[in-house]
Amino acid sequence: AQKVTQAQTEISVVEKEDVTLDCVYETRDTTYYLFWYKQPPSGELVFLIRRNSFDEQNEISGRYSWNFQKSTSSFNFTITASQVVDSAVYFCALSEAGGGADGLTFGKGTHLIIQP
Amino acid sequence: DSGVTQTPKHLITATGQRVTLRCSPRSGDLSVYWYQQSLDQGLQFLIQYYNGEERAKGNILERFSAQQFPDLHSELNLSSLELGDSALYFCASSVESHSDQPQHFGDGTRLSIL
Repeated sequence: AQKVTQAQTEISVVEKEDVTLDCVYETRDTTYYLFWYKQPPSGELVFLIRRNSFDEQNEISGRYSWNFQKSTSSFNFTITASQVVDSAVYFCALSEAGGGADGLTFGKGTHLIIQP
Repeated sequence: DSGVTQTPKHLITATGQRVTLRCSPRSGDLSVYWYQQSLDQGLQFLIQYYNGEERAKGNILERFSAQQFPDLHSELNLSSLELGDSALYFCASSVESHSDQPQHFGDGTRLSIL
């Protein structure tokens, strides 16, 4: 069965520092998809990125970047020059192409606190 | 704004009662998913519907049921409520029913059982 582990329960940094959120996944499928979602204090879940298992290219979107490494089953998320507005809980999630269920398997989330 | 609408935002009820949560997917999305977020279990997939048909089941209790109507909105019915059912219930939608599709979430319904 698939599993997503976010070992960092809470991270606190000072504004403008860079911060990396770790995500390690387990799956038996060769085709799968990885996602990151943000849950700000207001509670909604905001989609950030999707990556498929055949595309190991890193992705950068503004201050956000993602590093996907199949060799270590990791899909880490880095925020550069963090801002207070980045404070949120961040979830890594996995879905398998052949699993039969298309629901997402989420990690427990990392609570990121950016201090001014 | 994700375009997914959930009502009500908050619901307070008592043990043993039954409630219905409603979700309207984004315009054009055919697939609807329900998730439960609780402190002890985290975010868990409950059930998925695609174009009116049940597509997949996750960790959904027998006391819970859902349906998707011809206009594509969905309802999640929770019955014989227990204190442990207190949670934030999310609906999400996607265009198709494929695992590569990003799911866009509503703001959730916070259910409190007293």
